[in-house]
Amino acid sequence: GDSVTQMEGPVTLSEEAFLTINCTYTATGYPSLFWYVQYPGEGLQLLLKATKADDKGSNKGFEATYRKETTSFHLEKGSVQVSDSAVYFCALIQGAQKLVFGQGTRLTINP
Amino acid sequence: DAGVTQSPTHLIKTRGQQVTLRCSPKSGHDTVSWYQQALGQGPQFIFQYYEEEERQRGNFPDRFSGHQFPNYSSELNVNALLLGDSALYLCASSLGMVSRYGNTIYFGEGSWLTVV
Repeated sequence: GDSVTQMEGPVTLSEEAFLTINCTYTATGYPSLFWYVQYPGEGLQLLLKATKADDKGSNKGFEATYRKETTSFHLEKGSVQVSDSAVYFCALIQGAQKLVFGQGTRLTINP
Repeated sequence: DAGVTQSPTHLIKTRGQQVTLRCSPKSGHDTVSWYQQALGQGPQFIFQYYEEEERQRGNFPDRFSGHQFPNYSSELNVNALLLGDSALYLCASSLGMVSRYGNTIYFGEGSWLTVV
């Protein structure tokens, strides 16, 4: 079945550092890809998405490019802030109905 | 505009008991999905309701059941609780069953269930 694998955390960075969180997927066909963020004590929020190969999703300084050839959707940000501390989930959807999530990566940004 | 609301936020149950969790979708949304998020894991799809019927189900036993009401709100019921059912239960709503183009899905803050 479809699956998503994320880089294991936790990840700890200093403020203004460059961030990459790796995500690869296994799916038949052409899924849509997502990054969700979960701040402490809150529900999941959609951060960005891409629906076809070579699409780039972006939001709040975060970017991710749908790479079909490497089945990847890595999350990047050029300069992280303390407020970016959260758990990040990569996910896919194919056909309809359900999201398939990775295991999540906990990110902590130190001032 | 209220988002997805869930209740209760926290609850503690004993093994073997039954629990009901409730969800009100975002205004204008007609589809509700439920996910189970164990500690340190990503959410796992339980099932989805649309037009008051279960449309898709994940790999969960029949102890997990649900219902959708005419006003689109939904309940998740879990019978014969096990310690392993302890998790955050997330409700998600969307307009229509989500297509591969990712009609935006909104999540509630979840219900924390602890089984002792």
